[in-house]
Amino acid sequence: DTGVSQDPRHKITKRGQNVTFRCDPISEHNRLYWYRQTLGQGPEFLTYFQNEAQLEKSRLLSDRFSAERPKGSFSTLEIQRTEQGDSAMYLCASTLLLGFGNEQFFGPGTRLTVL
Amino acid sequence: DQQVKQNSPSLSVQEGRISILNCDYTNSMFDYFLWYKKYPAEGPTFLISISSIKDKNEDGRFTVFLNKSAKHLSLHIVPSQPGDSAVYFCAAAGWETSGSRLTFGEGTQLTVNP
Repeated sequence: DTGVSQDPRHKITKRGQNVTFRCDPISEHNRLYWYRQTLGQGPEFLTYFQNEAQLEKSRLLSDRFSAERPKGSFSTLEIQRTEQGDSAMYLCASTLLLGFGNEQFFGPGTRLTVL
Repeated sequence: DQQVKQNSPSLSVQEGRISILNCDYTNSMFDYFLWYKKYPAEGPTFLISISSIKDKNEDGRFTVFLNKSAKHLSLHIVPSQPGDSAVYFCAAAGWETSGSRLTFGEGTQLTVNP
């Protein structure tokens, strides 16, 4: 399978614990995005990387959130001291930025439940 | 503020008929628009896109129309099939100003009845 993959698919944690999610983009894609989706809403942008550089972070990304993309390949999203409001689907997307146009390809998501 | 809005949370149509999903946007810097389909427990799947220099783009049963003056776009599915039943998201991007991140609407649940 050559699509975007995410791990784990589901995560249940207790409030106050730290969690880390992984995203493996399509191999030749240079841009990687993280989005968050809550029930009844569309995905909301969190942050994106051009190769290994993190170029933009949304105001939704509090200090408890950190994302990395070492060597411009896979990416991790860590949430420290989780809160119940962090419960959501976390989506990763990738694209090959060649010029105009931006069809982003999404992974299946990681569903986080904070108890 | 909700820069991309899908005012219809749900739409139900009969198999074989046309489905029309609508989307409005407020940010005039958006210049690229996309539609995604999402099944439960899966990530969004890209369907079709249109740039602001066009007013129509067609791909098989799917056609997207863009009315820049009204800041409105629509997705037409003809003929509709039961397998089209899913949540459809409209998304917009501003090439020059936002790093091409996507701003999504709330989604419309389409149900195609056999």
